[in-house]
Order: sequence, then C-alpha cells, then structure tokens
Amino acid sequence: SQTIHQWPATLVQPVGSPLSLECTVEGTSNPNLYWYRQAAGRGLQLLFYSVGIGQISSEVPQNLSASRPQDRQFILSSKKLLLSDSGFYLCAWRVAWGTSGGRSQETQYFGPGTRLLVL
Amino acid sequence: EDQVTQSPEALRLQEGESSSLNCSYTVSGLRGLFWYRQDPGKGPEFLFTLYSAGEEKEKERLKATLTKKESFLHITAPKPEDSATYLCAVQDNRNFGNEKLTFGTGTRLTIIP
Repeated sequence: SQTIHQWPATLVQPVGSPLSLECTVEGTSNPNLYWYRQAAGRGLQLLFYSVGIGQISSEVPQNLSASRPQDRQFILSSKKLLLSDSGFYLCAWRVAWGTSGGRSQETQYFGPGTRLLVL
Repeated sequence: EDQVTQSPEALRLQEGESSSLNCSYTVSGLRGLFWYRQDPGKGPEFLFTLYSAGEEKEKERLKATLTKKESFLHITAPKPEDSATYLCAVQDNRNFGNEKLTFGTGTRLTIIP
C-alpha cells in the first residue's frame, strides 16, 4: 500500500538555526512530490514541487530550499530560520487512477505534517 | 491568479442538523476542485475531486456539488465525529506539469451532541 511519512512530527528551533524536514513515500515510484505550508489563518500554500530526482521548482521566493536526492525522498531545508518560518509543513504526493471523459482522475495525498515553531 | 473563498469560517450545528459549506472559486480554467477534511494537528484527508459543473459525489453523510463558480459540501444528519475543518482547493488547467492546488482557508465545523 502507498504511505507517506514525515519527520520530525514537532520541532522547536531558535531563530538563525538550520532546518531539515524529511518526507518519504512508500509503495510508489517516480511520484510528483509537493511541500506545502499552513500558517495560522491562512490556506495551505505550495512552496516547492518535484517531478523527479534532482528536479525542484519553487513557487514562492523565501528562506527555504528543497532537494530530492532519491526517488521517494523529499527534503525541505533552511540555512537560517526566521520567525516567519513557523507553521505546519505538509508533504504531499500526486495520485492518479485513470481517466474519465478525457480528464485525469487524480488527487494529492498528504502526510501527517511537521509542526515547526521558531522562537 | 486563482482564488478560493470558503464560507462560513466556522459553523456549529446540533447533531442531526443538516447544512452546507460553500466554496467560491476563481480560476482561468478548472481542472479539478478538491475537498479535504482536516483534524487538528493532522494532515488533510482527501474526500472528493469534482471536474465539471453539475457533477456530484457522495460519501456517507457528505455530498459535494459543483457549479461554474462554486462548490457546496452538504452534510446530512451530522454526527460529532464529523467535526473537523473542511478545506476546498482548485487546480488550474494552466498548471500542467505541477498540478498545483490553491486552497481556501477552510470551514471549521463543530457538531454538538
């Protein structure tokens, strides 16, 4: 079965410290992977997406970076955290299960998330 | 730019009291509209994908409908376990290759026993 893992679940970091969040997917190969951030009172915002190893696209300019060193591994990093980096970070992967009326039947499944608090 | 607006922000219902949540959207070309359920401290759980106006999908006490400008999530005879935040998202057909989802801020639903 397909599953998605994120760790750590919770993280408290001081301003200026580095960050590394990891996401791994099981039960699939060559998935499209996404990093979203959910801030209080705001909708989920897409940060990065990846269609394959070493292929990263950024949606918004920011203090963060992403890497995909392996097919089913997606990493979110920062060299120096800011207070504004606090939030709930979610990894997702695209699942498609066929077509109907010429349209791809698909969705994105989300991981359990990492709660990051920068102090 | 794609936009999604959900209303109301919060809704409190008595157990068994049916209601609807609204999702209004602006997108150049709709590729798909998605509904998710999110419990506190957890990742969103997929409910439905709708693709064209007039489409409806059902799951237990939930039914999602779609028009050219909005979607409704109807909840019939809700139970306390239906309490959660319900998120709506759209996918623009311009975003082929990344399948980006644009989310609303959600409706926080509370069902009182």
